[in-house]
Amino acid sequence: NAGVTQTPKFRILKIGQSMTLQCAQDMNHNYMYWYRQDPGMGLKLIYYSVGAGITDKGEVPNGYNVSRSTTEDFPLRLELAAPSQTSVYFCASSPPGNTEAFFGQGTRLTVV
Amino acid sequence: GESVGLHLPTLSVQEGDNSIINCAYSNSASDYFIWYKQESGKGPQFIIDIRSNMDKRQGQRVTVLLNKTVKHLSLQIAATQPGDSAVYFCAENTEGNKLVFGAGTILRVKS
Repeated sequence: NAGVTQTPKFRILKIGQSMTLQCAQDMNHNYMYWYRQDPGMGLKLIYYSVGAGITDKGEVPNGYNVSRSTTEDFPLRLELAAPSQTSVYFCASSPPGNTEAFFGQGTRLTVV
Repeated sequence: GESVGLHLPTLSVQEGDNSIINCAYSNSASDYFIWYKQESGKGPQFIIDIRSNMDKRQGQRVTVLLNKTVKHLSLQIAATQPGDSAVYFCAENTEGNKLVFGAGTILRVKS
């Protein structure tokens, strides 16, 4: 049972480049989340999804896009990378009616 | 708007003592309040939650207290151990599983 898997683990992007952070879960969870965590700070919610085909903005959605075509996958897209997007990105999932969210190991992104 | 914040950024305790980590929240409509533990280089891990209609909930060595009058949440860790050293986040679950986190408290356990 892999849980929540994020790829890649590390990435360096140049300003203006684009990339997709992948997130997959094998627990059949309806709810999925993307967070960013800046050094020494808490987690800020970027986008979340309550099921396939449904996505909603979180606290800091600007500069990001998501899609949820399947229950398992919830990719996060950065279209025009900016230095302000340098952060650690965490994906999480949880079943409906359950507050325990399971987190991936994170993707450390640096934009230079 | 929604926000969850913490009073103390760093807490140092002696091994074996009890730890108390505090959190203030602003959204009275939240259904659940949750505590997470994050060790260095890892994603957060669920510790314990409390429903908004409860005042207290106990787990193994941990107790969460909820005071809705002053919108305050606390996590008590009994007999703190070196393995408890981590960053602790409070979070609130609102608007149908929208999970919002606070800023975090660093817990350092001195041996």
